[in-house]
Amino acid sequence: DAKTTQPTSMDCAEGRAANLPCNHSTISGNEYVYWYRQIHSQGPQYIIHGLKNNETNEMASLIITEDRKSSTLILPHATLRDTAVYYCIAEGAGYSTLTFGKGTMLLVSP
Amino acid sequence: DVKVTQSSRYLVKRTGEKVFLECVQDMDHENMFWYRQDPGLGLRLIYFSYDVKMKEKGDIPEGYSVSREKKERFSLILESASTNQTSMYLCASSFDRMYSYEQYFGPGTRLTVT
Repeated sequence: DAKTTQPTSMDCAEGRAANLPCNHSTISGNEYVYWYRQIHSQGPQYIIHGLKNNETNEMASLIITEDRKSSTLILPHATLRDTAVYYCIAEGAGYSTLTFGKGTMLLVSP
Repeated sequence: DVKVTQSSRYLVKRTGEKVFLECVQDMDHENMFWYRQDPGLGLRLIYFSYDVKMKEKGDIPEGYSVSREKKERFSLILESASTNQTSMYLCASSFDRMYSYEQYFGPGTRLTVT
């Protein structure tokens, strides 16, 4: 499993885009980049994943660099309810434990 | 939307009691997982199941057992609860082996063993 590095915390104003970076310089060719978040006292929530193309869903966009060594999760219009810890992981197919690092604490303020 | 439900949000049990935690998913997912989450230790996999009646040990199976009699339901059993099993228990499901890391979690059960 590739190691990922994220900033410890970030701030964002409500209504603005939140851009959360993740470094995964040792990612291998068959490993996907996944993003999850966890709001305080709730279960983790799957957000999005991608291999090498940019991806978008109703929650967020995922931009992966061409060399796949880093990615950015974009919440286009952050709301107060987006305040959470965001986790980036890199995993291949198959069964293994889902392991979160320390993640980025995103605080969205009015 | 995928929905994963857990039988209780909060549970208080006494040492030595048998505890049942139930999880139900409504998306016909093949895989189901039980984790516990503790401050400073992160998410740890207890057991998972990739098919009805199938189970595999995760990283910390000691003191736990599981049951999957129906595809939508995965139960975690603490045979004799101990204080070190006080934790947040999280159930998750995923579509199949290929998408096993796209997991959908329930709200969690905060279990306190006194």
